[in-house]
Amino acid sequence: QKEVEQDPGPLSVPEGAIVSLNCTYSNSAFQYFMWYRQYSRKGPELLMYTYSSGNKEDGRFTAQVDKSSKYISLFIRDSQPSDSATYLCAMSAMDTGRRALTFGSGTRLQVQP
Amino acid sequence: SQTIHQWPATLVQPVGSPLSLECTVEGTSNPNLYWYRQAAGRGLQLLFYSVGIGQISSEVPQNLSASRPQDRQFILSSKKLLLSDSGFYLCAWSVAGVSTDTQYFGPGTRLTVL
Repeated sequence: QKEVEQDPGPLSVPEGAIVSLNCTYSNSAFQYFMWYRQYSRKGPELLMYTYSSGNKEDGRFTAQVDKSSKYISLFIRDSQPSDSATYLCAMSAMDTGRRALTFGSGTRLQVQP
Repeated sequence: SQTIHQWPATLVQPVGSPLSLECTVEGTSNPNLYWYRQAAGRGLQLLFYSVGIGQISSEVPQNLSASRPQDRQFILSSKKLLLSDSGFYLCAWSVAGVSTDTQYFGPGTRLTVL
């Protein structure tokens, strides 16, 4: 079993839809959670960062963490064609020692105009 | 502000040839540095990370090596490339001494081994 599971998609939605992207994880030590957006043939770009459980909002994006269920989500409101990309979740524990993130495999999102 | 550069952007190499990919970071000092590989349709695989000059930790045993000759320079090398080395290579940095481990990525190098 992978430490972080993420549905690969592709997820296709019409412009203006609300998008929900999710990851589940197995390591209860994870405390820091990140979402990255990666356009085709580009490096990942940090979108959201959250610590422990709760919600965080930034414009059209909301990150949600439920540590009791080991489940994190990224919601995109009023989705735009420019949101079409692969979304990667990533997480880490304070005491990893090797200071590295554990990534999901990414969900490919397509927003149709 | 901080920026991270990688070159070359794309590379096509024959099997058995050597490899050298370079990554440099500007606007910060003593960053943690990372090399990842991303195979098509797959997640990021951590290859190496470094917390300082000359300090390299390897995550996956393979025919690749990494070096950090200067504070903000990270080099990925191979003496003889394999077909399986093809992929998208990403360099990343994070702030040293901060436990959040938020990492910032470069634009990547697409390597094709023929």
